[in-house]
Amino acid sequence: GAGVSQSPSNKVTEKGKDVELRCDPISGHTALYWYRQSLGQGLEFLIYFQGNSAPDKSGLPSDRFSAERTGGSVSTLTIQRTQQEDSAVYLCASSKTSGDSYEQYFGPGTRLTVT
Amino acid sequence: QKEVEQNSGPLSVPEGAIASLNCTYSDRGSQSFFWYRQYSGKSPELIMFIYSNGDKEDGRFTAQLNKASQYVSLLIRDSQPSDSATYLCAVPGGSYIPTFGRGTSLIVHP
Repeated sequence: GAGVSQSPSNKVTEKGKDVELRCDPISGHTALYWYRQSLGQGLEFLIYFQGNSAPDKSGLPSDRFSAERTGGSVSTLTIQRTQQEDSAVYLCASSKTSGDSYEQYFGPGTRLTVT
Repeated sequence: QKEVEQNSGPLSVPEGAIASLNCTYSDRGSQSFFWYRQYSGKSPELIMFIYSNGDKEDGRFTAQLNKASQYVSLLIRDSQPSDSATYLCAVPGGSYIPTFGRGTSLIVHP
């Protein structure tokens, strides 16, 4: 089937505006992850969903960030009152979670630029 | 705090040589390990995973796991310029959340 898809691929927004990023995981994958990657940096974990619940929100950098997942499928990451330091590539990944096998498959990312 | 360490590089090898990428991890209980390749401007792509001690081969790629010494390696034989990328090591942690290393940049020059 299709891989992980993300939209939009690019987003330019003005400082202070809200943005919504979308992730559509691979069908049947129960786990969904959001990461952030700034230019030349490693992956920064943001949040993890198992089904519709988020047992680990520890990576969200501030209360301006929130995420939800509905129907065990599509997830949206919302950033309120965007700041310039929010500029990065936001990556979504999904995986099955069975035993020790939970290799992740990444979407193409959303490049967010806050001006 | 689980840690995964990788040399950031860049590791530069000539075309046709063997590239050796290493990763060490802190959690002795880790059972499985993943290698991702990330081309510049692209998202990470899973290329290898290994669950047991020893070697696992897939084409030109070989993953080597040594649990006693807590390291995992990725060997790329007959390196090609198209292998130039950043290679990320990932070690699954609790609650199905893997810990990623910061990646090693590989440059294969003609």
